Amino acid sequence: QKEVEQNSGPLSVPEGAIASLNCTYSDRGSQSFFWYRQYSGKSPELIMFIYSNGDKEDGRFTAQLNKASQYVSLLIRDSQPSDSATYLCAVENTGNQFYFGTGTSLTVIP
Amino acid sequence: DAGVIQSPRHEVTEMGQEVTLRCKPISGHNSLFWYRQTMMRGLELLIYFNNNVPIDDSGMPEDRFSAKMPNASFSTLKIQPSEPRDSAVYFCASTWTSGGETQYFGPGTRLLVL
Repeated sequence: QKEVEQNSGPLSVPEGAIASLNCTYSDRGSQSFFWYRQYSGKSPELIMFIYSNGDKEDGRFTAQLNKASQYVSLLIRDSQPSDSATYLCAVENTGNQFYFGTGTSLTVIP
Repeated sequence: DAGVIQSPRHEVTEMGQEVTLRCKPISGHNSLFWYRQTMMRGLELLIYFNNNVPIDDSGMPEDRFSAKMPNASFSTLKIQPSEPRDSAVYFCASTWTSGGETQYFGPGTRLLVL
């Protein structure tokens, strides 16, 4: 079982819709969770991090964490074509090791 | 303020040759990470340093790979001898503590081993 799993997609949503990206992790004791965005040919850049159960909102982005279900998600409201990218979920496990998912490709259709 | 700097940005080499990738972390950061990214395996952590000391190298694929951090402002990742399956994008990232903090990625080195 992989440490972090994501649906590779591709996920397509129309402009203005909500995009929902999901991630599960295997280490129940993991403490820190991150969402990175990576444009084609570029390096990953952090969008959000979350440590506590529940929702964390930052502008159009909302991260949701459910430690009991070992599940973290990212919602993008009012999706824009500029949101088209690969979204990487990253988890820091109990051994302070970082693991990334393989990413979900998102396309926002104008 | 300069971000993480990596060199070279692109490297094409032949199988069996030695490859050295270089990274300069953001000034003041004390943790440095080397990652490899491929389509098949995604982003994999190879090794990370804290205060110039290697903390976890369990991701280093085999003895052909080695990494050093002689001081706080410089790190190298060396592959000797290189093989075609090493072709990937290699990223260096840095942060100011050993965990739970934002990692800032460099632009990456695109390595092609023929």
